[in-house]
Formats: sequence, structure tokens, C-alpha cells
Amino acid sequence: QKEVEQNSGPLSVPEGAIASLNCTYSDRGSQSFFWYRQYSGKSPELIMFIYSNGDKEDGRFTAQLNKASQYVSLLIRDSQPSDSATYLCAVLNNNAGNMLTFGGGTRLMVKP
Amino acid sequence: EPEVTQTPSHQVTQMGQEVILRCVPISNHLYFYWYRQILGQKVEFLVSFYNNEISEKSEIFDDQFSVERPDGSNFTLKIRSTKLEDSAMYFCASSAPETQYFGPGTRLLVL
Repeated sequence: QKEVEQNSGPLSVPEGAIASLNCTYSDRGSQSFFWYRQYSGKSPELIMFIYSNGDKEDGRFTAQLNKASQYVSLLIRDSQPSDSATYLCAVLNNNAGNMLTFGGGTRLMVKP
Repeated sequence: EPEVTQTPSHQVTQMGQEVILRCVPISNHLYFYWYRQILGQKVEFLVSFYNNEISEKSEIFDDQFSVERPDGSNFTLKIRSTKLEDSAMYFCASSAPETQYFGPGTRLLVL
């Protein structure tokens, strides 16, 4: 059973701070990793993906991947109250119809 | 910007009834998926579909479930005889081929 684990939170940060969200996965052969944001009652919204070890930046978001440690993280710089949501880490299984396995999500609260 | 659409947004049905959830994937995508999320739980994979056939299905996707691409634009999920435990948000997604974009979901309530 492939597992994706996240701290459920809530993670509370003040406005303007850096929020750091973490995810670990069990399948060492995984190659593709995704971060989605989900507002309450809404669908997952893609933030970014990462395939290679190291950092990938997109605006205020930075994804970090360490395949040796089976660890993915998402940094949100200059956090805004509108960033308050649940952040879902997802791992792709190319050998199983491109299914995504999701973690349970980390709830982020950005306080004004 | 292209997006995945789903209808209906909400569906209430009686236990044992059949429901069909509809999705219009992004037009140039070739891979289609259904996921579900029971309230307060993880998003769970149900099925993936490529080249007019199922690529992969989960243990949840039993004989009560079926998928179909009846024409060039729609992708449907049918639940033949709904159970109380089928109450959930059902999300359709599409990709070309890996990055999956999700529709707004259908909230299904089985009474």
C-alpha cells in the first residue's frame, strides 16, 4: 500500500511569514509529485509539480524534493490570509494508470 | 483558461437508485479520472481511463461502478445501486498526460 503522509495541522502563521508544509511518501520509485490547494467544500486546485531533486520556484511558492529521504515540501513566502486552506500533497503512480495518491492534507491558517 | 466541468453540482438520491455523474474534461486531454472524497477524509482514486478503456481502478471501484465516454466530450461515472456509504464529493480530473486538473465536483448524498 503506497502511503503519503502529512501533518494535519492546523499550521498557524502570521501574515507575511513563510509557511512550510511537509510530506513524506512510502514508494521509493515515485517520480512525480504535486501540491494542490483545497478550500473548504471546493475541489483540489493545482499549485505546482516537481519531478527532480532540489528546489522549484513559482512566484511565492517553492517546492522542494529529496528522493533519498522520500520527502517533499512546499514553502509559501509572504503568506496572505487568502492562502488559508488545506494543502494536499499527491504522488503519481505512472505504473497504475497515472493514479494520484493523496496525503490527508495540512490545514494552513494565515492570521492577519 | 480551459477547465474541467461537472454536472450536477449536487445530487440527492435514495439508497438503491442509480446515479450518473457527468464530466467534460479539458478538450485536448487524453487521460480521465474519477476521485472521491468522503467528508473529512482523503481524496481517493477511483478509476483512470485512457483510449476508451479503463487503465486502472481501485478497490473502491467495484461492480456497482462504471465509466463511459459516450461521445467526444463527456466522461461519466455511473453508480448502479447507491449505498449510504457512497455519499461523498466526486471529482473528475483530466490530464495530458501527468498533471491532473480537477473539476468542481459533484456532492452526492444518499439517503
